[in-house]
Amino acid sequence: DIQMTQSPSLLSASVGDRVTMTCRASQGVSNSLAWFQQKPGKAPKSLIYAASTLQSGVPSKFSGSGSGTDFTLTISSLQPEDFATYYCQQYNSFPFTFGQGTKLDIK
Amino acid sequence: EVQLVESGGGLIQPGGSLRLSCAASGFTISANYMTWVRQAPGKGLQWVSLIYSDGTTYYADSVKGRFTISRDNSKNTLYLQMNSLRAEDTAVYYCARGLTPNWGQGALVTVSS
Repeated sequence: DIQMTQSPSLLSASVGDRVTMTCRASQGVSNSLAWFQQKPGKAPKSLIYAASTLQSGVPSKFSGSGSGTDFTLTISSLQPEDFATYYCQQYNSFPFTFGQGTKLDIK
Repeated sequence: EVQLVESGGGLIQPGGSLRLSCAASGFTISANYMTWVRQAPGKGLQWVSLIYSDGTTYYADSVKGRFTISRDNSKNTLYLQMNSLRAEDTAVYYCARGLTPNWGQGALVTVSS
């Protein structure tokens, strides 16, 4: 199975900051990488697929990049609603696997 | 409007069986691939199963042989039949439509005596 490792596990930032979190795959997944945002008690929200393609309706302050084994999610100009847990998922090969998550909290 | 609504969760004893349903509206499930993802209390997301439009299915190793994904095209509903349930299957189960933003609200399954 492909292991997905996210770093950091906890990221503290302030409103207005720009933050970057990473996701590393234990083997290449091409660009078959998705990012999700989840708030407590809510279903995950799909942000990005194909490593860098924004879902419809997702603001452009979210951006994704990478290919192969190393991926990043960047959020510019943090707003209070952006503080949540973020997960990456590879869908290049079965079983699909998620990273353990990066919790973004307010400094 | 696209909607996914899960049902069928509840409290079940270890070794028991439960079937989750995911009723879809606003699109045709047989034309998409559909997945189940779960989240144990306080834990991260875990992919569980997938069914392609051609009916091909895949499972996580932890549920293979115990869970079965299926769909009823006439009801536009996705299912997850869960047998031989274990305490570690306790989780909120979400259904999702492919790589789209369409996810259900989740159904809680608690396996406990």
